[in-house]
Order: sequence, then C-alpha cells, then structure tokens
Amino acid sequence: DVKVTQSSRYLVKRTGEKVFLECVQDMDHENMFWYRQDPGLGLRLIYFSYDVKMKEKGDIPEGYSVSREKKERFSLILESASTNQTSMYLCASSLYDRNVEQYFGPGTRLTVT
Amino acid sequence: GQQVMQIPQYQHVQEGEDFTTYCNSSTTLSNIQWYKQRPGGHPVFLIQLVKSGEVKKQKRLTFQFGEAKKNSSLHITATQTTDVGTYFCDASKLTFGGGTRVLVKP
Repeated sequence: DVKVTQSSRYLVKRTGEKVFLECVQDMDHENMFWYRQDPGLGLRLIYFSYDVKMKEKGDIPEGYSVSREKKERFSLILESASTNQTSMYLCASSLYDRNVEQYFGPGTRLTVT
Repeated sequence: GQQVMQIPQYQHVQEGEDFTTYCNSSTTLSNIQWYKQRPGGHPVFLIQLVKSGEVKKQKRLTFQFGEAKKNSSLHITATQTTDVGTYFCDASKLTFGGGTRVLVKP
C-alpha cells in the first residue's frame, strides 16, 4: 500500500511566522503535489514536483514555496504566514503525472492567528 | 487554471434513493478521475475515465464520460449511509472540481 504521511495533523502558527509542512511518500513516486482545501472551493493546487529539485507552480502559488531535495520528501513553506493561509493542506503523490491516481496524505489543518 | 464546474454543491438524499452528480467543462478533456472524501478523511481515488462515452461501474456507483469528453457523471443507486462524503472530479486541470457534498438521511 502506498503511504503518504504529513508531519502534523494540526498546526497553529502566528502571523508572520515561517511555516514548514513536510510530506513523505514511500512508493518511489515521481510526482508530488501540495493542495489546499477550503469549504466550497474544492482542492486547489499550490505547487507540484515531477522530479527531485524540480517544481512547477499550480493555481495558487502566491505566498508559498516548496522544496524537493529527495524523491520521497516534498516540503511546503510559508515564508511569512498570514491569516488567509488558514486552511487544510493536503499532500499527494502519483507515479507518472497528475492525470492518474493520486494518493493523498491525511492532511494538515493549519490555523494562523 | 481553468476550473471544472461540479453540480450540485450539496446533495441531501434519502437513504435508498438514487442521485447523480455532474462534472462539466467548457473544453474537451483528455481524461477524468473521481475521488471520494469521507468526513474528516482525505480524498481516495475511485476511478478514471478515458474514452468518449465510457461507462464504468463499481457496485452501486456508475461513472460515465460524455461523448464529447466535456462532462462526466457519477450516479449512485440505493444510497446508503456509507455513501456520505464529498465526491470530487479531477479533470486533468490544475484544480479539482468544487465537489458534491452528499448527506444521507436515514
């Protein structure tokens, strides 16, 4: 079974703090994705990576950056957290591209106060 | 990125009844994926449709891809409480559809 894990289920940070969200997958998948999920807005893609050290912007990259130094790990960074970044963050991975089955992690609910 | 419209946003269904959720795009899609997210859970892949007019079934769930490959539907027959959750379509764009949140009345 593919397993995608995220470093925290719940996180509370203050405005202006730097926030790191970590995601690890154990199936040697090439592609990894970061989404945020907000009520009524579905899943919106922030960034994705199709290879180590490679990254591509999704629909809503503003205010975020990512890092993929190793194949199994994809980090989402909020350089200076703001209250409008309060959301559920979901990491996913897939073998080829995002047009095939994606495996999701449990999610991190981030609250910025 | 271009969004795919998913309707309805909410669906209250009496247990035992059927319902359908739709995913519509203004452009032709190469393929479409459907996911289910249980309350408090994460999205789980259900199925992928690739061919024009394709129909696939999973027990009480029937998935259909339109002839023009611009829309898709998920039909659930004899709804059960285990069907509660949000159903998303992923139409190979950057962002998923908004989802249909299904609530089942026993």
